[in-house]
Amino acid sequence: GNSVTQMEGPVTLSEEAFLTINCTYTATGYPSLFWYVQYPGEGLQLLLKATKADDKGSNKGFEATYRKETTSFHLEKGSVQVSDSAVYFCALSDMDTGRRALTFGSGTRLQVQP
Amino acid sequence: GAGVSQTPSNKVTEKGKYVELRCDPISGHTALYWYRQSLGQGPEFLIYFQGTGAADDSGLPNDRFFAVRPEGSVSTLKIQRTERGDSAVYLCASSLNSGTGNNEQFFGPGTRLTVL
Repeated sequence: GNSVTQMEGPVTLSEEAFLTINCTYTATGYPSLFWYVQYPGEGLQLLLKATKADDKGSNKGFEATYRKETTSFHLEKGSVQVSDSAVYFCALSDMDTGRRALTFGSGTRLQVQP
Repeated sequence: GAGVSQTPSNKVTEKGKYVELRCDPISGHTALYWYRQSLGQGPEFLIYFQGTGAADDSGLPNDRFFAVRPEGSVSTLKIQRTERGDSAVYLCASSLNSGTGNNEQFFGPGTRLTVL
């Protein structure tokens, strides 16, 4: 079956530090990959996505590259801000198998200190 | 336009009771999903509707859980004989499912269910 594994948190960084949150996946077909973010008191929001190998998704300074050879989709940001403090979820959907529903990782809490 | 809305935002019930959770998807979205998120975990898929029919209900944990979408818009998740382990945030999402690969799911704020 499909699964997503992401690094456990919390990740605590100082403002302007470099961020990496690791995500690896297992899928039966050729999945699309997503990062969702959940800010305090808010609902899940799509942050970025990639649908095929070597695609790079990017948004709000965050980037992630679809690496089929390592089955990974690590999230990176060059300089984090306090406002980036949130829980980040890596997810996949496996359209090849007709599985439109998202399979999520357990989430990584990011805390950015001023 | 309005996003996905869910009611109630919070529901406290007693063990053994019946509950209904409602989801209003974004207008025009044909696909609707229910997920359950336990504390400290990622959302787990429950059921997916395409139009009025349940296209995939493989995530429903047991026969106490049931969902409907009779007119292809609003959906209701129904839980019978609630148990304390059902306590979680229940999330609803909708998407266009245009067939062109645009499967972005938009999530509602969730209903926090507490079973005492």
